[in-house]
Amino acid sequence: DAGVIQSPRHEVTEMGQEVTLRCKPISGHNSLFWYRQTMMRGLELLIYFNNNVPIDDSGMPEDRFSAKMPNASFSTLKIQPSEPRDSAVYFCASSFWTVLLNEQFFGPGTRLTVL
Amino acid sequence: KNEVEQSPQNLTAQEGEFITINCSYSVGISALHWLQQHPGGGIVSLFMLSSGKKKHGRLIATINIQEKHSSLHITASHPRDSAVYICAVKKGAQKLVFGQGTRLTINP
Repeated sequence: DAGVIQSPRHEVTEMGQEVTLRCKPISGHNSLFWYRQTMMRGLELLIYFNNNVPIDDSGMPEDRFSAKMPNASFSTLKIQPSEPRDSAVYFCASSFWTVLLNEQFFGPGTRLTVL
Repeated sequence: KNEVEQSPQNLTAQEGEFITINCSYSVGISALHWLQQHPGGGIVSLFMLSSGKKKHGRLIATINIQEKHSSLHITASHPRDSAVYICAVKKGAQKLVFGQGTRLTINP
């Protein structure tokens, strides 16, 4: 299996622009997670989906952030409009959740720089 | 106070030394993860445990639920073990809360 795939790997944009990050989970996994990592705050959960349905979006920082999962093999995280403080590495992870000790597999991350 | 605290924040050791990284948490959890993040940035899950002890090669993870504490040990450390090690606790069914990480450097 190719693992969790994220694109782009690097994104540089200007303040005010729309940014879309993409994630393809591992085939057969039914849970998908979006995380953000910064030097100041470390890793934080933004939102997660079970069977394509958003379950917990309490970590989404503002209305500028939105996430969708239109099908089991694709998810997007959108920031509109972007701000310099959104600069971070954004990770997507997936898991097969039916048992207690399910393990999450992380993608390589997207490094976002907002100028 | 963070819900998950790791110590030390930074650790430098010589090749071959026995390494211990600690994780304490203040909330009820269903499981605890140890993750490894290499300088390139990728995150790999090392262990997921809810009780006792797990071993994989030179890595050993233990957890004491009553004391809300977990340790990650590395035996016969090697420069390739240099990475950031992150403790994460699972609150409820799926939500992970992360420690700030321990930056480990193993010198040859």
